[in-house]
Amino acid sequence: GQNIDQPTEMTATEGAIVQINCTYQTSGFNGLFWYQQHAGEAPTFLSYNVLDGLEEKGRFSSFLSRSKGYSYLLLKELQMKDSASYLCAVKDSNYQLIWGAGTKLIIKP
Amino acid sequence: GAVVSQHPSWVICKSGTSVKIECRSLDFQATTMFWYRQFPKQSLMLMATSNEGSKATYEQGVEKDKFLINHASLTLSTLTVTSAHPEDSSFYICSAMRPGEASEQFFGPGTRLTVL
Repeated sequence: GQNIDQPTEMTATEGAIVQINCTYQTSGFNGLFWYQQHAGEAPTFLSYNVLDGLEEKGRFSSFLSRSKGYSYLLLKELQMKDSASYLCAVKDSNYQLIWGAGTKLIIKP
Repeated sequence: GAVVSQHPSWVICKSGTSVKIECRSLDFQATTMFWYRQFPKQSLMLMATSNEGSKATYEQGVEKDKFLINHASLTLSTLTVTSAHPEDSSFYICSAMRPGEASEQFFGPGTRLTVL
C-alpha cells in the first residue's frame, strides 16, 4: 500500500528552528509537496521537490532524498503565525496526490 | 499564482436536503479539478477527480450517487451532496490543476457544511 508518515504534533519556540520530517512509500514518484494549513482554512502551497536536494524559499526550506523516501521541511526564525498544520503529499506514478495526516506545529512565545 | 474560488464558504442545511458547492478557477482553465473532504483534526481525503466533459472518477468508498460531480466547463466544477445527513458535515475543499502541469494543485478556500 501507499503510505506517508509524519509526526502528529510538534512544539517549538518563537524565533527558533524546527524540522518536520516526512517519509513515504508510494507506487512511483512524481514529486513531493509541502502545504501549510491553518485551522478552518484550505491548504496553501509551500514547496515542491522532484529532484534530490534542498530547495530554499525565504524562511522555509524543503529537502528531498528519493533513495531514502524522505523529506523534511525546515522552518527558520519561527513566528507565532507559523502555528498551523503542515501537510506532506507525494504524487505517485498516476500523478495522484497521496496525503500525509499532517503535523500540527505549535509555536510558543 | 492561480486563484480558485468556492461558493458558498459555509452552509447549514436540514437533514434530507441537497446542497450544491461550486468550485471555479478564476484566472486559468482547469481541465482537472479535485474534490476533498476533511473531518476535524484529520488529513485531506480525496473524494473524486473531475475532468471537464467526462464523468468524474470516484475514490473507493465514495458514493457517486450521493456526491454528484459535474464539470461542465473548463472553469467550473460542482459537487452536490444529495439527501445530506449529519455525518456528511465536513469541510469540503476543491483544487484545480492547470493544463499540462503535473505539479501544483491550487486549492479553493473550502466550504464548511453543517447538516442538522
